[in-house]
Amino acid sequence: EAQVTQNPRYLITVTGKKLTVTCSQNMNHEYMSWYRQDPGLGLRQIYYSMNVEVTDKGDVPEGYKVSRKEKRNFPLILESPSPNQTSLYFCASSPRQGSLYGYTFGSGTRLTVV
Amino acid sequence: GQQLNQSPQSMFIQEGEDVSMNCTSSSIFNTWLWYKQDPGEGPVLLIALYKAGELTSNGRLTAQFGITRKDSFLNISASIPSDVGIYFCAGQNYGGSQGNLIFGKGTKLSVKP
Repeated sequence: EAQVTQNPRYLITVTGKKLTVTCSQNMNHEYMSWYRQDPGLGLRQIYYSMNVEVTDKGDVPEGYKVSRKEKRNFPLILESPSPNQTSLYFCASSPRQGSLYGYTFGSGTRLTVV
Repeated sequence: GQQLNQSPQSMFIQEGEDVSMNCTSSSIFNTWLWYKQDPGEGPVLLIALYKAGELTSNGRLTAQFGITRKDSFLNISASIPSDVGIYFCAGQNYGGSQGNLIFGKGTKLSVKP
């Protein structure tokens, strides 16, 4: 089944403890992206990647890192999480940037930083 | 950057009623997309619109790409309880960094049986 898989689904962590949220897609998509969703703010883009080893900042990149060493994987790294990074995170992929078919989203990762 | 204004923010309707929501932008888009997010899940594409003036249906859903390319609306006819969720509009231009989707803030739909 074609899908975007995120792990974990739920995570509670403490301030300052490094964490990684994984994202993997099995559709051979070139384009991948991370969003965070907060009440009243909708979906805001954190980082995106147009292909392997090509990444760029979205609208809210502060406090996050990404890497794209393989086409299928696009992990989101929080080096020193803070409570304002408590949010619902979505990974998405698309055949390529500007594809006519929009994005396929993962099921989300709910992160709580205490 | 580009922003989308989506309205209404939330709707509480009775089962069987029709629903209408819309998105407007200060700049033009080449593609408009409508997504639905069920509780606890990621957004799923409902309808994609590629031409100004285009009217497209998907079951009880109908969406239109505005003539000015700066707006789009989504109608849901005869709502049912499973229509509950958050509906997002998204605009897209082609090429370079413009290829990213720009999302509205969502319309939260609640349906009373």
